[in-house]
Amino acid sequence: EAQVTQNPRYLITVTGKKLTVTCSQNMNHEYMSWYRQDPGLGLRQIYYSMNVEVTDKGDVPEGYKVSRKEKRNFPLILESPSPNQTSLYFCASSTGVSYGYTFGSGTRLTVV
Amino acid sequence: ELKVEQNPLFLSMQEGKNYTIYCNYSTTSDRLYWYRQDPGKSLESLFVLLSNGAVKQEGRLMASLDTKARLSTLHITAAVHDLSATYFCAVDPPGYQLIWGAGTKLIIKP
Repeated sequence: EAQVTQNPRYLITVTGKKLTVTCSQNMNHEYMSWYRQDPGLGLRQIYYSMNVEVTDKGDVPEGYKVSRKEKRNFPLILESPSPNQTSLYFCASSTGVSYGYTFGSGTRLTVV
Repeated sequence: ELKVEQNPLFLSMQEGKNYTIYCNYSTTSDRLYWYRQDPGKSLESLFVLLSNGAVKQEGRLMASLDTKARLSTLHITAAVHDLSATYFCAVDPPGYQLIWGAGTKLIIKP
């Protein structure tokens, strides 16, 4: 089944403890992206990647890192999480604009 | 400023009624997407509209795109409870990343 897989689905962590949210797609998509969704603020892009080893900042990149060493994987790294990074995170991928974007099931992160 | 405005942001309606959600955007874009999101769930692609005049239909939902007016509509025909969700539109202007609307929360009462 074609899909974008995120892990974990839920995560509660403490301030300052490094964490990684994984994202993997099995559709051979070039494009991948991370979003966060907060009530009243909609979807905001964190980082995106046009292909392997090519990443760029989105609208809200502060406090996040990404890497794209393989086409299928695009992990999101929070080096020192803070409570304002508590949010619902989505990974998305696309093979081209004509086909739209496929989203992962989401990761609900709480930083205490 | 690049922005996408959805109207209304909240809609409560009765089953069996028709209604339209509007998506206005501020920049040139030939590509517009509609997504559905159930509470706490992921975003599901509904429609990909790629040119002026594009119209797509799936069940009780129909989406259209007028690139000259920078307007897309999502029309709901004879609404049923299962269509209750939040609906997002997003545009994909050249040289930019996706720009999202704030979402329209639709509640359909039996």
